Amino acid sequence: EEQLVQPGAAVKKPGESLKISCKASGYSFTNEWIGWVRQKSGKGLEWMGVIFPGEPDARYNPSLQGRVTVSADKSISTTFLQWLSVEPSDSAMYFCVRIGAAGWFFDLWGRGTLVTVSS
Amino acid sequence: QSVLTQPPSVSGAPGQRVTISCAGSNSNIGAGFEVHWYQQLPGTAPKLLMSGNTNRPSGVPDRFSGSKSGTSASLAITGLQADDAADYYCQSYDSSLSGVVFGGGTKLTVL
Repeated sequence: EEQLVQPGAAVKKPGESLKISCKASGYSFTNEWIGWVRQKSGKGLEWMGVIFPGEPDARYNPSLQGRVTVSADKSISTTFLQWLSVEPSDSAMYFCVRIGAAGWFFDLWGRGTLVTVSS
Repeated sequence: QSVLTQPPSVSGAPGQRVTISCAGSNSNIGAGFEVHWYQQLPGTAPKLLMSGNTNRPSGVPDRFSGSKSGTSASLAITGLQADDAADYYCQSYDSSLSGVVFGGGTKLTVL
């Protein structure tokens, strides 16, 4: 079964670094784009970035202005989303997503990691 | 402000037909980029409902259908059922922004 497994939650204080993970299974990790979509409480979906683990090649939402880094570890079929310094505005649900082979859409979703940034 | 514009809410009685619109521009839908739709049930992750404007993934009932014309797209749901109550999002690609764009989402209420 194809799946993306994420931890349920992460709690940090403002200014701390954060790295959340997503482990893929059931398909060839290095042959599909994988990335992240954010959803703030009660709001809509926002694409953050994707990576092609086989090369690797990463693309980002320009509006994020370099605040996050998407990376991948082929040896453990896992992708990561990382912040050097989180802010309260980073509090949101973060979904791990796979891009479909036939186009720029997300055909597989993780259950999401709820990130809370609070002092 | 989302790049793709959806109505905040739509509603219908069981058995009825509803449509959800998704308005874009010449840098996304109008440029020929495909439109995709997602269904997000309360408290869950979104699920792919429609890809490539009109293609239903395996397991999605044929009560759901998609269309695209010019700079807009629509999702139609016929034979409305109580468990169709969810948030629906359209998504495409924007050449000016060089990335994926979403609509703001539409909340479907089944009366």
